[in-house]
Amino acid sequence: EAQVTQNPRYLITVTGKKLTVTCSQNMNHEYMSWYRQDPGLGLRQIYYSMNVEVTDKGDVPEGYKVSRKEKRNFPLILESPSPNQTSLYFCASGIGTGKNIQYFGAGTRLSVL
Amino acid sequence: GENVEQHPSTLSVQEGDSAVIKCTYSDSASNYFPWYKQELGKRPQLIIDIRSNVGEKKDQRIAVTLNKTAKHFSLHITETQPEDSAVYFCAAHNTDKLIFGTGTRLQVFP
Repeated sequence: EAQVTQNPRYLITVTGKKLTVTCSQNMNHEYMSWYRQDPGLGLRQIYYSMNVEVTDKGDVPEGYKVSRKEKRNFPLILESPSPNQTSLYFCASGIGTGKNIQYFGAGTRLSVL
Repeated sequence: GENVEQHPSTLSVQEGDSAVIKCTYSDSASNYFPWYKQELGKRPQLIIDIRSNVGEKKDQRIAVTLNKTAKHFSLHITETQPEDSAVYFCAAHNTDKLIFGTGTRLQVFP
């Protein structure tokens, strides 16, 4: 079954404590991306990756890091989380340049206290 | 960069009526326009898309129209049903990025 898997689904943490949200896809997609979803703001892109070892900033990259060492995995790293990073996060994957983003993960709800 | 505006933010219709959601984009280089449906507590799912060389596309009760000159595109849902209730997002593809609108919450009342 084609899927994008995110973990954890829910996370409560404290300011400054490093965390990683994992994302894995089994469709051999070149393109992967992270979004955050906030009420009234829609989905905003954090980082994306066109292929292994190729990553680029989206619209709201501050405070986040990513890596793409393998095609299937695209972890999101918050080195020093702050309360304004409390949000719902989605990982997504697609073919090619991102024009065919068809698969989203189930989402990770993060609360930073 | 690209900016996508979406209206209305909320839309209530009676079951069986039609619903129309409109989006405008700013960058004429954008050439791919997908629509996503997000049910409560679920992930966004692609429901229909249109490319810039096409003016209209239809899939059963949903259709999307694109006006490249005016830089706007619309989602049309006919014969709405309660299960159409969800948040709908438009998006525009620009270079390597997909820029989303802020969403429309559609409520279909029985």
